[in-house]
Amino acid sequence: AQTVTQSQPEMSVQEAETVTLSCTYDTSESDYYLFWYKQPPSRQMILVIRQEAYKQQNATENRFSVNFQKAAKSFSLKISDSQLGDAAMYFCAYRNLGGYGGSQGNLIFGKGTKLSVKP
Amino acid sequence: DAGVTQSPTHLIKTRGQQVTLRCSPKSGHDTVSWYQQALGQGPQFIFQYYEEEERQRGNFPDRFSGHQFPNYSSELNVNALLLGDSALYLCASSLAYNEQFFGPGTRLTVL
Repeated sequence: AQTVTQSQPEMSVQEAETVTLSCTYDTSESDYYLFWYKQPPSRQMILVIRQEAYKQQNATENRFSVNFQKAAKSFSLKISDSQLGDAAMYFCAYRNLGGYGGSQGNLIFGKGTKLSVKP
Repeated sequence: DAGVTQSPTHLIKTRGQQVTLRCSPKSGHDTVSWYQQALGQGPQFIFQYYEEEERQRGNFPDRFSGHQFPNYSSELNVNALLLGDSALYLCASSLAYNEQFFGPGTRLTVL
């Protein structure tokens, strides 16, 4: 069974600085998806960035980028120029390409990292 | 374009009762997945519905059941509620193999 591990329960960053959140995962699959989701106090889970395992190039979305190391099964998130609005729980998630009966695979989440941004 | 909606926002039940949570997927989406998020934890997959059938199921007892309607909306039912069922229940919708979009969740408190 696949697992996702986030070893940093809490992180803190100064506004405008850069912070990196860590994530490792375990799978025997060769193709899969990895995601970072943000969950602010409003509870809405928001997709931050997505990485397909078959792509060697690291995904980037504005101030958010990932360092995907497939052999090491590592998937870290870098937030540049941190803003107060970045404060939230961040969850790393894994998903197989497909599930059963034509459906897509389900998401497997880590326990999350609480990010605080200091003004 | 409305996103994923869930109702109710929160509710309080007592042990042994039954509860039904509802989810309307994002327009154009055909797959609905349900997750349980206990306080301080990541979401745990309950089950997924596609073409009105349960396609996948996580490690949850039969007390948890669901349904998907022809308009793709979905219900999650929990029978014989336990204190441990208190959690945030998240619904996510998707189309084919694309990203899952989450609703705001339903906070269930079991007393």
